[in-house]
Amino acid sequence: SQQGEEDPQALSIQEGENATMNCSYKTSINNLQWYRQNSGRGLVHLILIRSNEREKHSGRLRVTLDTSKKSSSLLITASRAADTASYFCATPSGGYNKLIFGAGTRLAVHP
Amino acid sequence: NAGVTQTPKFQVLKTGQSMTLQCAQDMNHNSMYWYRQDPGMGLRLIYYSASEGTTDKGEVPNGYNVSRLNKREFSLRLESAAPSQTSVYFCASSEAPGNSPLHFGNGTRLTVT
Repeated sequence: SQQGEEDPQALSIQEGENATMNCSYKTSINNLQWYRQNSGRGLVHLILIRSNEREKHSGRLRVTLDTSKKSSSLLITASRAADTASYFCATPSGGYNKLIFGAGTRLAVHP
Repeated sequence: NAGVTQTPKFQVLKTGQSMTLQCAQDMNHNSMYWYRQDPGMGLRLIYYSASEGTTDKGEVPNGYNVSRLNKREFSLRLESAAPSQTSVYFCASSEAPGNSPLHFGNGTRLTVT
């Protein structure tokens, strides 16, 4: 069964707007990771947030983690056309030895 | 520094044929993983190797075998390919299992007819 699930499945915005994606998970975790995938390419790691952290920033990216609600959000501020991609959250499972991915959010940023 | 290298990039097989997907990493990572991605879906873990000398099943291991040849290389074998195995296969590596970032290869697009 899927550990993480992203919401929404698809998001379409204009350049300059902010994009927010959410991830919910089912079991206890020690970290949660966000990845980006451009069409036809492998995934690229964006941010890792540990269970004792509530918020983390990297450039225009802001990730929050609420372990009480078993949820995380990824905010991309001032989006650009180059941010068009699929975004996935991933959480450890099975003794924390492996990462399980959600189905992803497809983000389209229009010029 | 090439990162994670997968070969081949593309492959077409007939049902029942076998093949091995190769993966090598040059980052001295301990853990390696094989995922498959079907259209419009996320990644599903096939097998992983938390450290050299160990391999474990993931979410969808049926029809596959793996070999952790050494610390650098982790291969995925399809013994008798089926159309349901048509997918994009990604290899990834990480410093430690489960709590460090994964570095992905660019994938192998496999079609089984």
